[in-house]
Amino acid sequence: DQQVKQNSPSLSVQEGRISILNCDYTNSMFDYFLWYKKYPAEGPTFLISISSIKDKNEDGRFTVFLNKSAKHLSLHIVPSQPGDSAVYFCAGGTSYGKLTFGQGTILTVHP
Amino acid sequence: GAVVSQHPSRVICKSGTSVKIECRSLDFQATTMFWYRQFPKKSLMLMATSNEGSKATYEQGVEKDKFLINHASLTLSTLTVTSAHPEDSSFYICSARAPSPGPRGMNTEAFFGQGTRLTVV
Repeated sequence: DQQVKQNSPSLSVQEGRISILNCDYTNSMFDYFLWYKKYPAEGPTFLISISSIKDKNEDGRFTVFLNKSAKHLSLHIVPSQPGDSAVYFCAGGTSYGKLTFGQGTILTVHP
Repeated sequence: GAVVSQHPSRVICKSGTSVKIECRSLDFQATTMFWYRQFPKKSLMLMATSNEGSKATYEQGVEKDKFLINHASLTLSTLTVTSAHPEDSSFYICSARAPSPGPRGMNTEAFFGQGTRLTVV
């Protein structure tokens, strides 16, 4: 049972444009959601999070939107930079700290 | 921010031997740590929750006798892959839950180690 799904395995964007990464979930019990960035053979790096009672959180170039009725969240990166190229994971979390990850989306930002 | 250190980053071992992976929280005490496994081109899958001073909680399908977890102190959790086989080859990552309140004001943020690439030959 895939509780968190990232249906797009990859995304290619031109430098300076917006990158939109999507994530769907089925578990209504998540207390918060997080986005992580990961390079091969490294641990994930935290990007941004959002509480389940919020619908938007912004941090610099990164904005996460949460639509609870649709059980959907998205990460917007504006403007996209080549250094943003990586695998992006969304995750749902419980108050206990347990995280459930999506499959990841490979983002490639072209110069 | 909080730092979690994982060691070793890479290990190659012979089939049948055991391998120990360490996960340390360097600047905070972590009563709970988590161990994940990532197969190639797949998501991170939670293996077990490591609780300081008590037994680990394993996810369904994870063999507790195969993957021994010890959380002897508030800053150290270890994962031992016993009698390793080639199918155990994978990328193992630990995480520690940030203390309350966290560096960014959220007590639910988790910090990850660098990961360990295990290859069993």
